[in-house]
Amino acid sequence: SAVISQKPSRDICQRGTSLTIQCQVDSQVTMMFWYRQQPGQSLTLIATANQGSEATYESGFVIDKFPISRPNLTFSTLTVSNMSPEDSSIYLCSARDGGRGTGELFFGEGSRLTVL
Amino acid sequence: RKEVEQDPGPFNVPEGATVAFNCTYSNSASQSFFWYRQDCRKEPKLLMSVYSSGNEDGRFTAQLNRASQYISLLIRDSKLSDSATYLCVVFLSGGSYIPTFGRGTSLIVHP
Repeated sequence: SAVISQKPSRDICQRGTSLTIQCQVDSQVTMMFWYRQQPGQSLTLIATANQGSEATYESGFVIDKFPISRPNLTFSTLTVSNMSPEDSSIYLCSARDGGRGTGELFFGEGSRLTVL
Repeated sequence: RKEVEQDPGPFNVPEGATVAFNCTYSNSASQSFFWYRQDCRKEPKLLMSVYSSGNEDGRFTAQLNRASQYISLLIRDSKLSDSATYLCVVFLSGGSYIPTFGRGTSLIVHP
């Protein structure tokens, strides 16, 4: 199994600022994903973080708002830019265990963001 | 129509009851299926995979019906600790192998 460390675990930010969330996996993984989960809702995929290339964004999410980096097979960052209260949510990093190819997803503990 | 649909519940059952959840998916080319469990304010964690032949793990049974495009989760002899949200996850095909989540079914087991 993979262990994912995500930080910060929570933050309170002012409108208009940006926050970068870091995700560290304890082993090399094929795919990493960033999700958003708003209260009472399921997980919405923001993007797939591709190692060494630009992330693949889902409909409704754009690189200018959610720039993503993935410099290697164990680390990724998600930035929430120019934040507004609507960005208040839990952001979850996820990785797929490509080594075993089982498709199992592992999650970080999430970053709870509140924008004032 | 959403790609993966679940009844959000909540399902409110007494201890010892048997409860079943269904999850329907719209893409007939979907490849892999899983049930995840998410406790309040926690990250989702894998409960079990869903195989074509069905699979059982203790009190939990998962089944796949490709013809009708749904998967199910059956929980027997419910425990208080089973109270959680159960998320259906479908991996769509096409090489990218992107996971799609249902909105989850909330289960409350009461004494």
